[in-house]
Amino acid sequence: GENVEQHPSTLSVQEGDSAVIKCTYSDSASNYFPWYKQELGKGPQLIIDIRSNVGEKKDQRIAVTLNKTAKHFSLHITETQPEDSAVYFCAAGHNTGANSKLTFGKGITLSVRP
Amino acid sequence: DTAVSQTPKYLVTQMGNDKSIKCEQNLGHDTMYWYKQDSKKFLKIMFSYNNKELIINETVPNRFSPKSPDKAHLNLHINSLELGDSAVYFCASSQVDRGRYEQYFGPGTRLTVT
Repeated sequence: GENVEQHPSTLSVQEGDSAVIKCTYSDSASNYFPWYKQELGKGPQLIIDIRSNVGEKKDQRIAVTLNKTAKHFSLHITETQPEDSAVYFCAAGHNTGANSKLTFGKGITLSVRP
Repeated sequence: DTAVSQTPKYLVTQMGNDKSIKCEQNLGHDTMYWYKQDSKKFLKIMFSYNNKELIINETVPNRFSPKSPDKAHLNLHINSLELGDSAVYFCASSQVDRGRYEQYFGPGTRLTVT
């Protein structure tokens, strides 16, 4: 089955700096890679996703890149703000209709220092 | 207006008891999921239902029995609760039959077994 590794496990950045979170996956059949943000006491919130036919996707201050050959994908957050502090999860899955499922990484705690 | 809602938010019970968690989504999605998040924040899928039919059952003890009375609801009943069942349980939903695999999570139910 799919195995998703996420690193580092914690990341601390100064407000205004950029943060990069990296994930690797094992199943070359995976074709869907979402990123979730989880704030304390809340459910994971989808913030951006990328499909395997695209190498990069941007949405305001966040971007995701995908390298299918190396089987890794990364989340980039620019101009970080204290409200970006949260746990971030990457996931991988292959979209095969009703059998689709996501395998999550272990999460990384991002702290943005004001 | 909550898209995916769960009740209760907190559940404290003793070992050996039976309890249920309810989930409802008003997104019109065809697929619903149960995830377990352990104390280390690891998110693991337990079950998925597509149009009320069980699709994914990830080696979960048969003390856990999901039930989907209709497409908008997925409940989780747990028999003979054990200490190791303490975790946060998340419901999620997606619309897979239109090729959209984004999963939207509920706020979670924190189960504490004493």
